[in-house]
Amino acid sequence: AQKITQTQPGMFVQEKEAVTLDCTYDTSDPSYGLFWYKQPSSGEMIFLIYQGSYDQQNATEGRYSLNFQKARKSANLVISASQLGDSAMYFCAMSYDSSYKLIFGSGTRLLVRP
Amino acid sequence: DAGITQSPRYKITETGRQVTLMCHQTWSHSYMFWYRQDLGHGLRLIYYSAAADITDKGEVPDGYVVSRSKTENFPLTLESATRSQTSVYFCASMWDRGAGETQYFGPGTRLLVL
Repeated sequence: AQKITQTQPGMFVQEKEAVTLDCTYDTSDPSYGLFWYKQPSSGEMIFLIYQGSYDQQNATEGRYSLNFQKARKSANLVISASQLGDSAMYFCAMSYDSSYKLIFGSGTRLLVRP
Repeated sequence: DAGITQSPRYKITETGRQVTLMCHQTWSHSYMFWYRQDLGHGLRLIYYSAAADITDKGEVPDGYVVSRSKTENFPLTLESATRSQTSVYFCASMWDRGAGETQYFGPGTRLLVL
């Protein structure tokens, strides 16, 4: 069975500093994808970044990067130069069953301090 | 470009009543999904659809019914609402299945069952 674990219910970071949000996963499928979504207080789900299980390089999208360690089954999100607008809930998710169903972690609430 | 919309955005109903949540997307995406979001659980898949007239159960389908007579619409019906179905419901769509394909989410419907 597939599982996503986010062990940090909440985190603080100082503005302009970098922060790492942890995500570990479990699956027996060789082909899977890992996603991070941001959910601000307004409630919408915003796609941030994707990493495929066969991708050799870590994914990057602007200030977001995904630290993919396949052997450890971890897919941590790194946000560089945090901004106040980064304060939100962050969800890690994994695609399975031929890459279209998603299973989500329980989320990490990030608060950026000025 | 309207994208993906949900209606109503907020709904209060009583136990035992039938409720239908609407989802509409303008992208002609093949795949559509319904999730519910509860505190401590992240998002959980209720039902999904790969195309018009093709639907299947997700992780938590009990008490819900879906239909998809047109590609752009994917309504979710609670046949006899229960308090445990109080939640935030998200609809999502995706162009096609495959590595890197991203699900795009609607704004959500907050449902309160009294």
